[in-house]
Amino acid sequence: GNSVTQMEGPVTLSEEAFLTINCTYTATGYPSLFWYVQYPGEGLQLLLKATKADDKGSNKGFEATYRKETTSFHLEKGSVQVSDSAVYFCALANAGGTSYGKLTFGQGTILTVHP
Amino acid sequence: KAGVTQTPRYLIKTRGQQVTLSCSPISGHRSVSWYQQTPGQGLQFLFEYFSETQRNKGNFPGRFSGRQFSNSRSEMNVSTLELGDSALYLCASSPGDSRANYGYTFGSGTRLTVV
Repeated sequence: GNSVTQMEGPVTLSEEAFLTINCTYTATGYPSLFWYVQYPGEGLQLLLKATKADDKGSNKGFEATYRKETTSFHLEKGSVQVSDSAVYFCALANAGGTSYGKLTFGQGTILTVHP
Repeated sequence: KAGVTQTPRYLIKTRGQQVTLSCSPISGHRSVSWYQQTPGQGLQFLFEYFSETQRNKGNFPGRFSGRQFSNSRSEMNVSTLELGDSALYLCASSPGDSRANYGYTFGSGTRLTVV
């Protein structure tokens, strides 16, 4: 079955530091890949996505590239802000069939950014 | 465009009771998925409904059930509540076709506490 593995957290950084959160996956076929972010007391917000190999998703300074050869989708940001403090989830979805409506999530990585 | 609306935001129930949670998807979206989020198990898929039919189901006991109405609104029900059912329940809305690349829009969740 599908699975997603994220780097162990929590991650603590100073403002303006470089961020990398690693994500690798196991899946059948050609999944779409996502990063979601969850702020305290809220639901999940889609941060970025990529739907095929070598696609780069980007949003709000965050980027991730779909690497089929290494089955990875690492999240990066060049300069983090205090407001980026949240929990980040890597996820994948397959098309149709037994995958309808189903996202498979990693365990989440807590990011804390200090001023 | 209104987002995904989940009600209520918070619930406290006693062991053995039952509970019903509601989710209204984005207008025009025909698919609603439900997830359970706990600190120990992370985000787990419960089920997905499309056009009033359950198309997919996760590995949860029969105490967890759902339905979808003709206006795409969905409810999930948990009967005979157990302490372990305490969690954040999230629903996600999507157009519902067979593609996997559109991403899913989540509501803010219902925080259920079983005492």
